[in-house]
Amino acid sequence: GDQVEQSPSALSLHEGTGSALRCNFTTTMRAVQWFRKNSRGSLINLFYLASGTKENGRLKSAFDSKERYSTLHIRDAQLEDSGTYFCAAEGRNYGSSGNKLIFGIGTLLSVKP
Amino acid sequence: AQTIHQWPVAEIKAVGSPLSLGCTIKGKSSPNLYWYWQATGGTLQQLFYSITVGQVESVVQLNLSASRPKDDQFILSTEKLLLSHSGFYLCAWSPQGDSDYTFGSGTRLLVI
Repeated sequence: GDQVEQSPSALSLHEGTGSALRCNFTTTMRAVQWFRKNSRGSLINLFYLASGTKENGRLKSAFDSKERYSTLHIRDAQLEDSGTYFCAAEGRNYGSSGNKLIFGIGTLLSVKP
Repeated sequence: AQTIHQWPVAEIKAVGSPLSLGCTIKGKSSPNLYWYWQATGGTLQQLFYSITVGQVESVVQLNLSASRPKDDQFILSTEKLLLSHSGFYLCAWSPQGDSDYTFGSGTRLLVI
């Protein structure tokens, strides 16, 4: 079935630096979302993209449906950016499968002083 | 602005006891509603979804049931809890025809 391969599974950054998280898709996805897990375990929306790029502060996301990937770039990382980040995509059978998002395994980001 | 409210925040329940978790969405008419569950150390799984009032589809069989008695309300319940029901339950909504999800704050359930 449709799968989402998220990498890296863990990432360590020093404050002020940046990096990118990536999700590769095994099939063409209609849209992608990026979430961050909060301290309670719930998921906070970061981005929703059907195509192209979006930017919000120090975060920027891109989605290429044809090339089957999405990225989340973090620049000037701060200590409070630490946490787990997930991508989730809307697969081919989205409507018939109950509007089910397919989640990546998550990336545990640690930002250090 | 739309808001999503889940209750209770946490529960400790005995095996065999009933359970009812609630979720309400304000500021959005006719949303798609979802229940997700994550066992400790496990991945997030979709349990139920609803497109309209009174209609609920089951995605994963876990001896749980869901109902949508009102447009803005989604209830997850069971008559008899199992140890395996422990975990973190998330309610979510998306607009009709759109997969832009918004999750609630979650309910942490421990069955003992």
